[in-house]
Amino acid sequence: GAGVSQSPSNKVTEKGKDVELRCDPISGHTALYWYRQSLGQGLEFLIYFQGNSAPDKSGLPSDRFSAERTGGSVSTLTIQRTQQEDSAVYLCASSSQRGGYEQYFGPGTRLTVT
Amino acid sequence: KQEVTQIPAALSVPEGENLVLNCSFTDSAIYNLQWFRQDPGKGLTSLLLIQSSQREQTSGRLNASLDKSSGRSTLYIAASQPGDSATYLCAVIPGGSQGNLIFGKGTKLSVKP
Repeated sequence: GAGVSQSPSNKVTEKGKDVELRCDPISGHTALYWYRQSLGQGLEFLIYFQGNSAPDKSGLPSDRFSAERTGGSVSTLTIQRTQQEDSAVYLCASSSQRGGYEQYFGPGTRLTVT
Repeated sequence: KQEVTQIPAALSVPEGENLVLNCSFTDSAIYNLQWFRQDPGKGLTSLLLIQSSQREQTSGRLNASLDKSSGRSTLYIAASQPGDSATYLCAVIPGGSQGNLIFGKGTKLSVKP
């Protein structure tokens, strides 16, 4: 079946602009995660959604970052007033309890802030 | 705070060699451990998932073991091929959670023809 999809695959934006990144999880997966991979850095957790529960936002680096998940499916990560240090690959993953919470990743969105 | 370490950071081997990648974690209370492969400019591909109650998992030429009490996991690759060249990442979900993965920084593997 279809895997996790993300759009856009690449995004170039000017410093100070807002951007929205989209994630479509695997159908039926109740859990959805956002991570960030910066050049030379490891993978960093941002936010986690599980069903209808309140999201775990403990990894968001600043209040410029927010995310929502509509209808328990598609998620949007929004970065307001982008800064150059926001340049990174943003990865989305989804999982299900039935699968032992094995996480499946999308191809990522490469964000470049100029 | 859970931390995940992978050694070595980079490894180069000739084709056909068997090899072992190491992963250690500081807190033995984990929900599961997952090994991934990442090719340059690509997302992550899940290789193996080991639940906390399991000792090992196998898929083709790959075998992953888990020793939770000592905080260690190994990924064994048999008869390596140039197509195995990639970065291999180990990650754990902390115990009591089905939440975020905590990743090591990876081992960059190069298999020479």
